[in-house]
Amino acid sequence: NAGVMQNPRHLVRRRGQEARLRCSPMKGHSHVYWYRQLPEEGLKFMVYLQKENIIDESGMPKERFSAEFPKEGPSILRIQQVVRGDSAAYFCASSPGQGRGEQYFGPGTRLTVT
Amino acid sequence: AQSVTQLGSHVSVSEGALVLLRCNYSSSVPPYLFWYVQYPNQGLQLLLKYTSAATLVKGINGFEAEFKKSETSFHLTKPSAHMSDAAEYFCAVSTFTGTASKLTFGTGTRLQVTL
Repeated sequence: NAGVMQNPRHLVRRRGQEARLRCSPMKGHSHVYWYRQLPEEGLKFMVYLQKENIIDESGMPKERFSAEFPKEGPSILRIQQVVRGDSAAYFCASSPGQGRGEQYFGPGTRLTVT
Repeated sequence: AQSVTQLGSHVSVSEGALVLLRCNYSSSVPPYLFWYVQYPNQGLQLLLKYTSAATLVKGINGFEAEFKKSETSFHLTKPSAHMSDAAEYFCAVSTFTGTASKLTFGTGTRLQVTL
């Protein structure tokens, strides 16, 4: 029973390029969350999605960041025109429902912007 | 709004000694609370959770935490530290707005275990 899968695990982008981070939730989970962890900080909520719907994007920066969770395929977090400040670890989590139960985390994608 | 405060960004204990990692929360509704552990360059693994049942919660790897409403605390303990416990530990509170659920994390406590 595979856990939450994220790829790539490490991503290096030059300033101005686009970064695409992928997340496949656990089998049977239809709720996906994205969090960002800046160096020496805790995780900060970015966005919560269900299949084909963005439910809560209150933690997403207003510009350059977008997320989707299509009917088929993984959830994608897209960062356009990356800047050095986007360098961080991005974690995806999934849950079977929208209640307050635990979320299961993937191994993360570590984005480095040069 | 919910929030979590973890006192002590770094804690060092000797192998075999008691581990105590502190977490205080603020919540406008009865909280759901979680402790996660993060090993270097890995994701977060759930240690234990409190969801309004028993106030003393037992988790994996010998860890446990006690929910104390009067103190708004949810401290993590382990009677005897092992070298393999060295990691970063995060306390989190769950926020549910009726349509969305998200975790609010503390800033983490890095646990060092020495011989």
